[in-house]
Amino acid sequence: EDQVTQSPEALRLQEGESSSLNCSYTVSGLRGLFWYRQDPGKGPEFLFTLYSAGEEKEKERLKATLTKKESFLHITAPKPEDSATYLCAVQDLRTGANSKLTFGKGITLSVRP
Amino acid sequence: KAGVTQTPRYLIKTRGQQVTLSCSPISGHRSVSWYQQTPGQGLQFLFEYFSETQRNKGNFPGRFSGRQFSNSRSEMNVSTLELGDSALYLCASSLADGYEQYFGPGTRLTVT
Repeated sequence: EDQVTQSPEALRLQEGESSSLNCSYTVSGLRGLFWYRQDPGKGPEFLFTLYSAGEEKEKERLKATLTKKESFLHITAPKPEDSATYLCAVQDLRTGANSKLTFGKGITLSVRP
Repeated sequence: KAGVTQTPRYLIKTRGQQVTLSCSPISGHRSVSWYQQTPGQGLQFLFEYFSETQRNKGNFPGRFSGRQFSNSRSEMNVSTLELGDSALYLCASSLADGYEQYFGPGTRLTVT
């Protein structure tokens, strides 16, 4: 069974204080690993897709990296508007033709001004 | 390009009733997935439809069902509602397997 574990559960940062969010996963075969951002009362917003170990993607202050067992979301010099819950999800090659995502519980990030 | 839309946004039902939620995917997307989100369990996969066929179903009781129409719009139905069905129900669409899924704003269902 696919498993996704995110840590820490919550993270409080000072504005400008860089940090990393961790996502550990177990899948039979990885089709893709996805990062989303979710604001309270809204649906998840897509950030990145990573497909193979060693791959990196960047967007503004965010950078996502992937190894064979985990992914990191690095946040450089965060701002208060980066406060949100960050979700990690995997899609398994061996579940056949379908788009099922298995999500972690998420990391709630708070950035203080 | 318009995003994924879901209706209604909020719903209050009584135990034992049934409910139907609707989802319109992004134009051109043929895959529609449904998820339940609760504080305790997080986001859990309900089912996925592609070209009107259910391709996968999560570990939920048979009270949860869905369908997809020829225009890719999808509905999910929950019969005999229980208090534990209170949750945010999210619909997501994607172009194909392996591509990112785009989520709608969700339907907040409260069962009293």
